[in-house]
Amino acid sequence: GENVEQHPSTLSVQEGDSAVIKCTYSDSASNYFPWYKQELGKRPQLIIDIRSNVGEKKDQRIAVTLNKTAKHFSLHITETQPEDSAVYFCARKGSYIPTFGRGTSLIVHP
Amino acid sequence: NAGVTQTPKFQVLKTGQSMTLQCAQDMNHEYMSWYRQDPGMGLRLIHYSVGAGITDQGEVPNGYNVSRSTTEDFPLRLLSAAPSQTSVYFCASSNPSTGGVDGYTFGSGTRLTVV
Repeated sequence: GENVEQHPSTLSVQEGDSAVIKCTYSDSASNYFPWYKQELGKRPQLIIDIRSNVGEKKDQRIAVTLNKTAKHFSLHITETQPEDSAVYFCARKGSYIPTFGRGTSLIVHP
Repeated sequence: NAGVTQTPKFQVLKTGQSMTLQCAQDMNHEYMSWYRQDPGMGLRLIHYSVGAGITDQGEVPNGYNVSRSTTEDFPLRLLSAAPSQTSVYFCASSNPSTGGVDGYTFGSGTRLTVV
């Protein structure tokens, strides 16, 4: 189906460490993989995305990798800062509407 | 552009009452969706629309109705509110780009409590 599994559900790191969040999907028709950041009490906001014809994309301290064969993709945050603390959602999209993972609560300790 | 506008921001209903959550976008997006967000459950799709006059059910449609008479508006109706519908509701919209992919823009959400 179109489910997305996201792990871990909670991730606690020290400031300056790296954080990695992983997602797996099952629908081979998935061709677009966005990541959203949601701060407490606010709306989800797109932070980075990747298309199925690309294996890796980087934007400053965040990067996303995609392994189409294994059907998994990951978000990498380097040099974490307290303001990175939020809930992160992965998603996949095929024809029309994205489906989301359950979210990862990232806590960055100063 | 205001983006995606949701009203109201907060609402308290009694069990059995009905109400409509409003969603409007001014970006001429074709695709619009409603999600509910509950702790530990992520964003679950309620209903979606790929254009005016076209709607379809998502993962958790029971107890909700939608319509899409214009490109701009996509209201969500609760027919008879139940405590299980206590949640935060997000409306989102996007447009199919040439490659058929595009990120979603979310509204600011409606926090609904059913007592």
